[in-house]
Amino acid sequence: NAGVTQTPKFRILKIGQSMTLQCTQDMNHNYMYWYRQDPGMGLKLIYYSVGAGITDKGEVPNGYNVSRSTTEDFPLRLELAAPSQTSVYFCASKGVGTDTQYFGPGTRLTVL
Amino acid sequence: DAKTTQPPSMDCAEGRAANLPCNHSTISGNEYVYWYRQIHSQGPQYIIHGLKNNETNEMASLIITEDRKSSTLILPHATLRDTAVYYCIVRVGGSQGNLIFGKGTKLSVKP
Repeated sequence: NAGVTQTPKFRILKIGQSMTLQCTQDMNHNYMYWYRQDPGMGLKLIYYSVGAGITDKGEVPNGYNVSRSTTEDFPLRLELAAPSQTSVYFCASKGVGTDTQYFGPGTRLTVL
Repeated sequence: DAKTTQPPSMDCAEGRAANLPCNHSTISGNEYVYWYRQIHSQGPQYIIHGLKNNETNEMASLIITEDRKSSTLILPHATLRDTAVYYCIVRVGGSQGNLIFGKGTKLSVKP
């Protein structure tokens, strides 16, 4: 199993540009999550999904959108990038009945 | 989920045991204690979890006090690769929500 994979690893955006951060898991997990981590801070939840076709907002959803058309994929969309979205983004997944989350390697995003 | 308190940083000599404390005085009966760690620039990694009994796996041991108000993560023979931020998280088992990460303890293992 590859686990949770994320692409790209790094990206620099200009203010106002848009992009999609990709996340894929091959563990057949129902639950998937997007977190962001600012320097020196813990992770904050952006959006999560409890299964295909179902998504919900987390603590910091403004400026982001998600979709979950398949069990495996959970892309995160930034429509109008802002400097405040400069952060490291982590995707995670977990199975039903457990709290063990498996994290991807992260995407480091800089908005200039 | 109950709040946790951890020291911001700790040092440990290579080869010695690293004992990382966590206070969770408001923990309720159905909440588990989870430990994750984050090595620099990587995604968090699950280490161990427990409810009230002590637990051990290939990575670490978890000691939970009898009143469950505190716990200690033990890395029995710390290596340089164990240098990381360690997060103690308390939550109801099997719930669908996210993990709430505080600032954790930055463990530095020194040669």
